[in-house]
Amino acid sequence: SQTIHQWPATLVQPVGSPLSLECTVEGTSNPNLYWYRQAAGRGLQLLFYSVGIGQISSEVPQNLSASRPQDWQFILSSKKLLLSDSGFYLCAWSVRQWETQYFGPGTRLLVL
Amino acid sequence: DAKTTQPPSMDCAEGRAANLPCNHSTISGNEYVYWYRQIHSQGPQYIIHGLKNNETNEMASLIITEDRKSSTLILPHATLRDTAVYYCIVPLLGTASKLTFGTGTRLQVTL
Repeated sequence: SQTIHQWPATLVQPVGSPLSLECTVEGTSNPNLYWYRQAAGRGLQLLFYSVGIGQISSEVPQNLSASRPQDWQFILSSKKLLLSDSGFYLCAWSVRQWETQYFGPGTRLLVL
Repeated sequence: DAKTTQPPSMDCAEGRAANLPCNHSTISGNEYVYWYRQIHSQGPQYIIHGLKNNETNEMASLIITEDRKSSTLILPHATLRDTAVYYCIVPLLGTASKLTFGTGTRLQVTL
């Protein structure tokens, strides 16, 4: 069966520090991968998606970036965090773009 | 995405059926209706999806009206662990299947 992992589970970072969040998917090949952010009390916002290694599409211009160095690995990064980057970051995968997305446990980021 | 409208909150007694409604009057012919739920501080969990016919799985049943403008998610025997925010979503075709989660329905299951 397929499983999706995210780490760390929680993170507290100072403003201006770098960020690296990792997402990995097991049990499937060539998944579509997605990064979402959920601000407190609000819905999900799609940040990035990837249909394959090295293929990244950005949905919202911001100081975040994403990379997919391996088929099963999706990384969310920032060179300098802003206070507004605080939130709940969720990674998801799907077999194909039009199909059901399955979410990881999420990373809760607090920027102080 | 087709706009969806859900009540902000509902209560249900444990052991009873929870019926969560959703309106999606602008849905187009090829768009699916998806339901997810999010338990506090966890990632969203896929529940069920459908196009035209009613669907049932081990978690829930999905009833879609004949004109497809509304649907109802049914949890046949709600438990305390079903307390969560339930999202009804109609992803826009032709995109990366973006899931736009609105505010959903907060279901509180009580003893």
